Amino acid sequence: GAGVSQSPSNKVTEKGKDVELRCDPISGHTALYWYRQRLGQGLEFLIYFQGNSAPDKSGLPSDRFSAERTGESVSTLTIQRTQQEDSAVYLCASSLWTANNQPQHFGDGTRLSIL
Amino acid sequence: DQQVKQNSPSLSVQEGRISILNCDYTNSMFDYFLWYKKYPAEGPTFLISISSIKDKNEDGRFTVFLNKSAKHLSLHIVPSQPGDSAVYFCAASASNAGGTSYGKLTFGQGTILTVHP
Repeated sequence: GAGVSQSPSNKVTEKGKDVELRCDPISGHTALYWYRQRLGQGLEFLIYFQGNSAPDKSGLPSDRFSAERTGESVSTLTIQRTQQEDSAVYLCASSLWTANNQPQHFGDGTRLSIL
Repeated sequence: DQQVKQNSPSLSVQEGRISILNCDYTNSMFDYFLWYKKYPAEGPTFLISISSIKDKNEDGRFTVFLNKSAKHLSLHIVPSQPGDSAVYFCAASASNAGGTSYGKLTFGQGTILTVHP
């Protein structure tokens, strides 16, 4: 497809389980970002990847969160031992590269609900 | 701490009138600002941006104004249309020392715009 694709679109799981969220960026985009949006709040930066550089993990809220990206393609965000406060919409975005004149294009997100 | 603030949770405007959405920031390192529009169950869509070297940028019905001394920006939509009804997010980024965008966007909480026919 032409846009950023995320899967699943919805995920409901029990507290304590691990979850894996997937993002397919726009083809050719070297930069990939993960954000989350809790109910009634703005988007919160989690992590970004730029080409083969070391990712910026400064936004990850705890060591239960990790993300990987293979080359300039798919990325997965993994949350281990999920907690109820992890419930949010997780959004992925990509851009040609990390520069001010390259706006980030977002997917529709994965709505994660922790019971 | 909320580095980007949108103090109005909602705004209601009549079709054809001007919509003005406001955003304040506290981090003086921010040098690039963006507005995104979001419909329910969809990801944010980029609308318009402005660099800190400018004070105005215009694209069709959308104009963004930046007041650096006040650390304030606003988005003007003229004329407003019912299809503009959505949540509008202000976002900011800070370039690193090399002048390349750091990549990380800091978002405000959003303003729900409703345009009545």
